[in-house]
Amino acid sequence: QVQLVQSGAEVKKPGASVKVSCKASGYTFTSYYMHWVRQAPGQGLEWMGIMNPGGGSTKYAQKFQDRVTMTRDTSTSTIYMELSSLRSEDTAVYYCARDGGSFYVFDSWGQGTLVTVFS
Amino acid sequence: QSALTQPASVSGSPGQSIAISCTGTSSDVGAYYYVSWYQQHPGKTPKLMIYDVSNRPSGVSNRFSGSKSGNTASLTISGLQAEDEADYYCSSYTSSSTYVFGTGTKVTVL
Repeated sequence: QVQLVQSGAEVKKPGASVKVSCKASGYTFTSYYMHWVRQAPGQGLEWMGIMNPGGGSTKYAQKFQDRVTMTRDTSTSTIYMELSSLRSEDTAVYYCARDGGSFYVFDSWGQGTLVTVFS
Repeated sequence: QSALTQPASVSGSPGQSIAISCTGTSSDVGAYYYVSWYQQHPGKTPKLMIYDVSNRPSGVSNRFSGSKSGNTASLTISGLQAEDEADYYCSSYTSSSTYVFGTGTKVTVL
């Protein structure tokens, strides 16, 4: 079955960068796009961007355009999301979520990674 | 891209039906049939409940149904049960080839 396993919680200082990983298994990694979604404490879901693990292309939300980078390692079926110039408002749980193929949905989710930005 | 607008909370008694609205624009909800709905219990990851406006994934109860009219999509939960108490989010594909979520609705079973 599809499994997305994310890296552990992080604590960062303002201005630093964080890199979160998401290791996929149970399906062909390069056949499904992957999204990143975040959720601040007590807040709603926010879409950050999408990556094609096959070709490496990305599309980011305008809000994060200048600060986010999504990469992948096909040899380990792992996708990465790096967010730079962190500020307190970036404190959130970050999820990877598999795209539903021919359906424009988030059909499987990682367990989430809490990133805390704290001075 | 602004978040889609949902009511902050909706409540109902067991057995009743409730509806949650999701209002967007002609660039997202109104432009495509790519509206999906997610259920999130406290401390849990979101779960896909409806895709392509009105389709249910395998394993999702037929008490959940979706529809769309113009720029507004809706999720209806019929025969409300205690386990339905959760947060619900809509999502839509957009004309910018991005995605946008709704503001979220807390469903309370009285």
